[in-house]
Amino acid sequence: EAQVTQNPRYLITVTGKKLTVTCSQNMNHEYMSWYRQDPGLGLRQIYYSMNVEVTDKGDVPEGYKVSRKEKRNFPLILESPSPNQTSLYFCASSLKGWSSYEQYFGPGTRLTVT
Amino acid sequence: LAKTTQPISMDSYEGQEVNITCSHNNIATNDYITWYQQFPSQGPRFIIQGYKTKVTNEVASLFIPADRKSSTLSLPRVSLSDTAVYYCLVASVQAGTALIFGKGTTLSVSS
Repeated sequence: EAQVTQNPRYLITVTGKKLTVTCSQNMNHEYMSWYRQDPGLGLRQIYYSMNVEVTDKGDVPEGYKVSRKEKRNFPLILESPSPNQTSLYFCASSLKGWSSYEQYFGPGTRLTVT
Repeated sequence: LAKTTQPISMDSYEGQEVNITCSHNNIATNDYITWYQQFPSQGPRFIIQGYKTKVTNEVASLFIPADRKSSTLSLPRVSLSDTAVYYCLVASVQAGTALIFGKGTTLSVSS
C-alpha cells in the first residue's frame, strides 16, 4: 500500500531533550516536506526536500533540522525542544514538485514539550 | 509567492451544493491551484487541482476564471462527512519554492 508513515505518533518530552521524528514514504517520491499545525494558524511548512541531499527552509524552520540521506526517509530533528514546539506535525511527499503533483500526508505526530 | 484568501468558515445543510471561493490576486503564469481537505487530527487529503477553466472529478469541481485571480471549489450535494477544513493552495512550478497552506475554510454541514 502506498503510504507515508511517521513515528512516533505521540510523544511527550521535556525541554532540551533531543528528539527525532521519522518519516518514510514507499512511493519513490522526490519531494518531501514537514509541516506543523497549531490551532488558528493552519498548516505551516517547516522544511522541504526536493531530492536526496537537497533541502530548504520553509516558513518556520527555526529550532528544527532535517536530513535527506535516502530518498524514502526524511527525519525531523529537534536538537533542543522547547514548549513552543508543542504541535501536531505532518510529513508529506509528492512525486515531483507540488505545483502539479498532489501531496500525500502521513498520519501526524502529536508532540508535547513540557 | 501568491497569497490566498478564503472565508474562515461556512455552514451548509446536507444535500446542498457548497461553493468555496479562494482569492489569489498575485498568481503567476505557471502556478497551479490545488485544494485539500482535512479532517480533525488527520493529514490533509488532495481533492482537486487545476490551471484554468473547469476541472471535475468524482468528488468536486474546480472553476477558474480567465484571469485566474480566484478559484471556486464546488462540492455537490454535501453530506455530514464533508464537514472538514478546506485549503486552497497556489504553487509554483519553480523548483525550491516553499508551500504556503494558509488557514483554510472550515465547512460545517448540518442535517
